[in-house]
Amino acid sequence: NAGVTQTPKFQVLKTGQSMTLQCAQDMNHEYMSWYRQDPGMGLRLIHYSVGAGITDQGEVPNGYNVSRSTTEDFPLRLLSAAPSQTSVYFCASSAKAEADTQYFGPGTRLTVL
Amino acid sequence: SQQGEEDPQALSIQEGENATMNCSYKTSINNLQWYRQNSGRGLVHLILIRSNEREKHSGRLRVTLDTSKKSSSLLITASRAADTASYFCATVDMDSNYQLIWGAGTKLIIKP
Repeated sequence: NAGVTQTPKFQVLKTGQSMTLQCAQDMNHEYMSWYRQDPGMGLRLIHYSVGAGITDQGEVPNGYNVSRSTTEDFPLRLLSAAPSQTSVYFCASSAKAEADTQYFGPGTRLTVL
Repeated sequence: SQQGEEDPQALSIQEGENATMNCSYKTSINNLQWYRQNSGRGLVHLILIRSNEREKHSGRLRVTLDTSKKSSSLLITASRAADTASYFCATVDMDSNYQLIWGAGTKLIIKP
């Protein structure tokens, strides 16, 4: 199993550009989530999904959209990038619920100029 | 908002010594989890302790949970250079739709 994969590893955007961060898992996990990690802070939840077709907002959802059309994939879309979105983004999955052990992808380092 | 708070923020010890990190939280929890993050990498799950458990072991790791004090500790015994990483606690907040709430982490440096 590849586990949780994320692409790209690095990305530089200009303010106002849009892009999609990809996340996929091959463990048949129901729960998937997106976090951002900023220096000196813990992970902050952006959006999450408890199953295909179901998504919900986390702590910091503004400026981001998600969709979950399949169990495996959970892309995160930045609508109009802003410098405040410069961060490291992590996708995670767990078997059934957010209370379970989380499996993390390697992260995407995003810089918005 | 941040619930779990790790203490200390940074810890530097000699290889072979024991390292202890603490985590405090504020609300009722379902479980508490510890994760490790090596520099530039994703987080890796270390251990999960449920609210009705007081202590759990995994190899050189020992985790304790005191729900009356709303705190947990992670002890790494006989530290190795490979233990150099940041360590995070995450609590499952029963009052917040069972969302995981993360602390800012403890940066552990093991000096050879």
